[in-house]
Amino acid sequence: ILNVEQSPQSLHVQEGDSTNFTCSFPSSNFYALHWYRWETAKSPEALFVMTLNGDEKKKGRISATLNTKEGYSYLYIKGSQPEDSATYLCAVYGGSQGNLIFGKGTKLSVKP
Amino acid sequence: NAGVMQNPRHLVRRRGQEARLRCSPMKGHSHVYWYRQLPEEGLKFMVYLQKENIIDESGMPKERFSAEFPKEGPSILRIQQVVRGDSAAYFCASSRNPGQGDLAEKLFFGSGTQLSVL
Repeated sequence: ILNVEQSPQSLHVQEGDSTNFTCSFPSSNFYALHWYRWETAKSPEALFVMTLNGDEKKKGRISATLNTKEGYSYLYIKGSQPEDSATYLCAVYGGSQGNLIFGKGTKLSVKP
Repeated sequence: NAGVMQNPRHLVRRRGQEARLRCSPMKGHSHVYWYRQLPEEGLKFMVYLQKENIIDESGMPKERFSAEFPKEGPSILRIQQVVRGDSAAYFCASSRNPGQGDLAEKLFFGSGTQLSVL
């Protein structure tokens, strides 16, 4: 069973700090990696979908990198704001077309 | 363009009753995915469906759980004879057709149904 690990489990930062967290996955049979942002009382919302080794994606102050050879992806947030507070989920495909396996997420809290 | 619609938002059932959870995908999406979130756990894949077809049900419990996505109407996740351990948040997501070998289509999630079994 494919295992997706995210670290840290939770993170508390001050407004203006930059932060990053990690998603680790088995490097064999890689298909695609997704990052989602999940605010409390809302639905998970897609940030990035990454497929190629060395991929880098950016959306505003948030960016992500992918290393499929060593099995990890980093998500970076530059100059964190309180509205960035959410759980950030990473997911990879478990080998079949629909079986997207999620990690448990990193819960980010940004204090004003 | 309405997003993924799930209903009900909250469902309370007594042990032994049936629970029916509904999911209407985004307009233009023909692929539906069901996930379950247990307390203190992440999202666990249950089943992936296209219209009138189950593509992958490797995450579905073997008994009491079934899912369908008929030609007309919403996708239904059905849990028969519910037990307390079925209490969880059930999320539905939809996507466009991933295409042959293309897994880069992002999922759009509904707001979930919180099932409570008394």
